[in-house]
Amino acid sequence: EVQLVESGGGLVQPGGSLRLSCAASGFTFSGYDMHWVRQASGKGLEWVSGIGAAGDTSYADSVKGRFTISRENAKNSVYLQMNSLRVGDTAMYYCARATSGWDYWGQGTLITVSS
Amino acid sequence: QSALTQPASVSGSPGQSITISCTGTSSDVGGYNYVFWYQQHPGKAPKVIIYEVSNRPSGISTRFSGSKSGNTASLTISGLQAEDEADYYCTSYTSSSTWVFGGGTKLTVL
Repeated sequence: EVQLVESGGGLVQPGGSLRLSCAASGFTFSGYDMHWVRQASGKGLEWVSGIGAAGDTSYADSVKGRFTISRENAKNSVYLQMNSLRVGDTAMYYCARATSGWDYWGQGTLITVSS
Repeated sequence: QSALTQPASVSGSPGQSITISCTGTSSDVGGYNYVFWYQQHPGKAPKVIIYEVSNRPSGISTRFSGSKSGNTASLTISGLQAEDEADYYCTSYTSSSTWVFGGGTKLTVL
């Protein structure tokens, strides 16, 4: 059974940093692109970042230069290092596996940026 | 990376058909056949219901169909059922090698 479990969320002050993790199981992790998508409370979905199976990365303009996505295939995990956090980054962050669309999603981890 | 344009809400009665549009530009929807549709029920993670414009993943009802003309993609749900009431999002790959979502459409089954 495919499972994605996010962790690392919490409350952080503006300007602070957090590192999100997403632990994958039930599939050959190294062969899949992985993405992070966020959703502010009551708002729509926003693509944040993606990393290919080969390690190529991409970012939304809203996070470029502040967030870094990485993966560790030996640990079946993808990470999102978030620096210089802003109030506008407050959201539920989901990791998702990419095949024909984002076919599996985690349950999400909540990030709150507030003073 | 401007968001794709979707109607904020649509509604229909059980058994009817509805269509949700998703309008972008030649740099996203119009330029690639990488348009996907997601269904999201309250408090749940999104679920892909259409991939690459018009394909249904295994297990998705044939009542869901997708198409594209120019810079506008469309999701049609036929034979509306109460369980279809949800938020629907389109997303497209872009010429910047990124992904962009639509603002989402709330479907109400009357």
